[in-house]
Amino acid sequence: DTAVSQTPKYLVTQMGNDKSIKCEQNLGHDTMYWYKQDSKKFLKIMFSYNNKELIINETVPNRFSPKSPDKAHLNLHINSLELGDSAVYFCASSQGGPAGDTGELFFGEGSRLTVL
Amino acid sequence: SQQGEEDPQALSIQEGENATMNCSYKTSINNLQWYRQNSGRGLVHLILIRSNEREKHSGRLRVTLDTSKKSSSLLITASRAADTASYFCATDSGRGSTLGRLYFGRGTQLTVWP
Repeated sequence: DTAVSQTPKYLVTQMGNDKSIKCEQNLGHDTMYWYKQDSKKFLKIMFSYNNKELIINETVPNRFSPKSPDKAHLNLHINSLELGDSAVYFCASSQGGPAGDTGELFFGEGSRLTVL
Repeated sequence: SQQGEEDPQALSIQEGENATMNCSYKTSINNLQWYRQNSGRGLVHLILIRSNEREKHSGRLRVTLDTSKKSSSLLITASRAADTASYFCATDSGRGSTLGRLYFGRGTQLTVWP
C-alpha cells in the first residue's frame, strides 16, 4: 500500500489556467506538507497542516491555496498558473518526533507541473 | 537562512568504494536528517541524528554531527550501483522552531559505477 500518494504525477498546462494536485496519506499522521522542488533540486516548504489547521504558510503567492478536508488529505489548488510555477510538487506527512520536534517525513512520488 | 548546504554537489565513484557527503548549516538545530532521492521519485528518509548525538549508524550508513562546526557527514560504505541517487540533508531551526519546518539543501548527486 502506498503511504503517501499524490495525483496526478504529471501536469502540462497553459499559462493562466487553474490546476489542482491531490494528496492522501494512510499512515495516520497528524501533519501534512507541500514542498516545491525547482529545476536545481532545491526543495522548499510551502505549507503545512496539523489536524486540518494551517501551521506553515511560507510566503507563497495567494494563487496557491491548500485545502485539508481531513487530516489524511491535503490538496493544492493553483490559480492563474505562471511559467515560474513549473516545478515538482511533493506532498509529505509526519507524526512528529518524540521530543516534540519534527521527525521523519514521508514523501509522495511528486507531481511534475509544466506550465507552457 | 537556515538552508543546509551539501558538499560536494556531485560525486562519482566505483562500486565498493566509500562515499562521503557533507552538510553545513547556519543556526542551532534539534535534529538533522538525511534523505535520498532516486531520479524522478520522492525523497526517502535515511537517518535522523539529534543535536546531542555525535554519531549514528544504520546498515552501511554512518552519520556524524558536529554541532560546534554546524556540520554533518554521511558515509556510505561499500557502495553499490543501486546507491546512485541524490542525497539531501535537512535541518530544523532548533528550540522553538515550527513543527515541520525543515530546511533542505540542493543535495549531492552520487553516481556509483559498476
